[in-house]
Amino acid sequence: DAKTTQPTSMDCAEGRAANLPCNHSTISGNEYVYWYRQIHSQGPQYIIHGLKNNETNEMASLIITEDRKSSTLILPHATLRDTAVYYCIVTHYGGATNKLIFGTGTLLAVQP
Amino acid sequence: GAVVSQHPSRVICKSGTSVKIECRSLDFQATTMFWYRQFPKQSLMLMATSNEGSKATYEQGVEKDKFLINHASLTLSTLTVTSAHPEDSSFYICSATDRASNQPQHFGDGTRLSIL
Repeated sequence: DAKTTQPTSMDCAEGRAANLPCNHSTISGNEYVYWYRQIHSQGPQYIIHGLKNNETNEMASLIITEDRKSSTLILPHATLRDTAVYYCIVTHYGGATNKLIFGTGTLLAVQP
Repeated sequence: GAVVSQHPSRVICKSGTSVKIECRSLDFQATTMFWYRQFPKQSLMLMATSNEGSKATYEQGVEKDKFLINHASLTLSTLTVTSAHPEDSSFYICSATDRASNQPQHFGDGTRLSIL
């Protein structure tokens, strides 16, 4: 599976949009981009995933560049409860039966 | 939404004890389950993949005789840490997915294991 690179940490003001970048320059054509987050001492929570089109759900939006070498997770109105480590993971089709390899992620700290 | 339950959430026991952790999918059939371990201030590390009705596939460096995995039904997988020692103390997390519906993996809330 392709490797991802994320900033170690980011700050965001409460109520503002949080934009979390991820580089995956070695992604292959059949690999998806998945985002999970982990709040302290809990299991990871699925956020969103995509192949090449931008995706949006009730939690977030995922913007994937045209060359698919990078993506951005957008939390439109960050709250204090969004403080967590956010993981960007690239894995083969569906990710359902394929293992997820977690990197170090981005620690997002939402400030009041 | 998909719910994965893990039990117990925390366990403290003496060195040499074997500890069993359960992972259940509550509202879907989990054809595949994964077990992870996470040490403090580190990321999740995949230990093994288990498909219902077959033997688990272990990641390199994970002792299969130390960490016994059973996935006998479509809603339950168990991880048994045999003869646990203090170095086995960690946060153990399972995830589950349904191959047929191609759902993303959903995670349990983890089990914090402390070996004295």
